Amino acid sequence: EAQVTQNPRYLITVTGKKLTVTCSQNMNHEYMSWYRQDPGLGLRQIYYSMNVEVTDKGDVPEGYKVSRKEKRNFPLILESPSPNQTSLYFCASSPWLGSYEQYFGPGTRLTVT
Amino acid sequence: AQSVTQLGSHVSVSEGALVLLRCNYSSSVPPYLFWYVQYPNQGLQLLLKYTSAATLVKGINGFEAEFKKSETSFHLTKPSAHMSDAAEYFCAVIRISGNTPLVFGKGTRLSVIA
Repeated sequence: EAQVTQNPRYLITVTGKKLTVTCSQNMNHEYMSWYRQDPGLGLRQIYYSMNVEVTDKGDVPEGYKVSRKEKRNFPLILESPSPNQTSLYFCASSPWLGSYEQYFGPGTRLTVT
Repeated sequence: AQSVTQLGSHVSVSEGALVLLRCNYSSSVPPYLFWYVQYPNQGLQLLLKYTSAATLVKGINGFEAEFKKSETSFHLTKPSAHMSDAAEYFCAVIRISGNTPLVFGKGTRLSVIA
């Protein structure tokens, strides 16, 4: 089944404790992206990757890192999480930047205390 | 720059009633427009898309949307709401400049009352 998977689905952590949220797609997509969803703000892009080893900042990159060493994986790293990073995070992929239709993972709900 | 505005953060309808979710866009070029749906505890999935072909676009689960250039609108409708339609709906437009293919609206939560 074609899908985007994220792990973990739920995470509660404390301020300053480094964490990684994994994202993997099995559709051989070039383009991958991370969003955060907050009430009343919709989806905001954190980082994106147009292909392997090419990543760049989205609209709200502060406090986050990413890497793209393989086409299928695009982990999101929070080196020192803070409470304002409490949010619902989505990974998405699409065949390439211009294909427009994105396929979303199920989401990771992160709480930072 | 492209953007979308969804009117109403929460819409409530009775089961069997018409569903109307409003989206207005701003675009300096002919837009591509999308509606995504997010069911509880799930990711977003594409409901329908307008890519400059027919102005009336049909999507999954009986939803459709009409592109009206004169009104810069792309409202989502369904003739008869089902309980299973309760979800959050996002309108989106392409962003030609910049790094991401889509700019999302803030979402409209649809509640269906039995």
